[in-house]
Amino acid sequence: DVVMTQSPLSLPVTLGQPASISCRSSQSLVYSDGNTYLNWFQQRPGQSPRRLIYRVSNRDSGVPDRFSGSGSGTDFTLKISRVEAEDVGVYYCMQGTHWPTTFGQGTKVEIK
Amino acid sequence: EVQLVESGGGLVKPGGSLRLSCAASGFTFSIYSMNWVRQAPGKGLEWVSSISSGSSYMRYADSVKGRFTISRDNAKNALYLQMNSLRAEDTAVYYCGRDSAEVDYWGQGTLVTVSS
Repeated sequence: DVVMTQSPLSLPVTLGQPASISCRSSQSLVYSDGNTYLNWFQQRPGQSPRRLIYRVSNRDSGVPDRFSGSGSGTDFTLKISRVEAEDVGVYYCMQGTHWPTTFGQGTKVEIK
Repeated sequence: EVQLVESGGGLVKPGGSLRLSCAASGFTFSIYSMNWVRQAPGKGLEWVSSISSGSSYMRYADSVKGRFTISRDNAKNALYLQMNSLRAEDTAVYYCGRDSAEVDYWGQGTLVTVSS
């Protein structure tokens, strides 16, 4: 199975400051069709996960533009340009390139 | 508006069975692969099972293979998960999600508790 390793696992941030989460995969996530099926999800306390980013860098509809995704191959990053109070929660990367689908351990974002 | 609504969770004894359902609306259900993903209390997300749009393939996590069966009824816009031989470690919130590779929509989840 492809192992997804996130860091850090806990991320205290100051309101208005940037935040960055790393996600590394144990194999390349480039699929035979040329796409890289790396997604980022946000799970606010008590809520279901919500997809923020798909195929590395595409923001979902309604996702604030302070969220951005980047990376390639095995190394990916989710950035929040200026953290707001509503961004508190756990963030997961997920790969859909290889079976079985696998998730990172999650990164808990909290306000300092 | 895409909606996924899970149901069927509850308290069951070890070794027991439960059938989860996911009612889909707001999109053409029959053209999407679907998934079940679970989350144990206080833990991360774990993929459980996927089924293709026409039920030609079903895949399972090793942890549930041989015990769980995924199915769907495209005429009823419904996804199912039959869970047999349940264990304490199956205790989790079970989410249904649309699309195997990208899980763009999630339901609100249904809690399954396996305990004597």
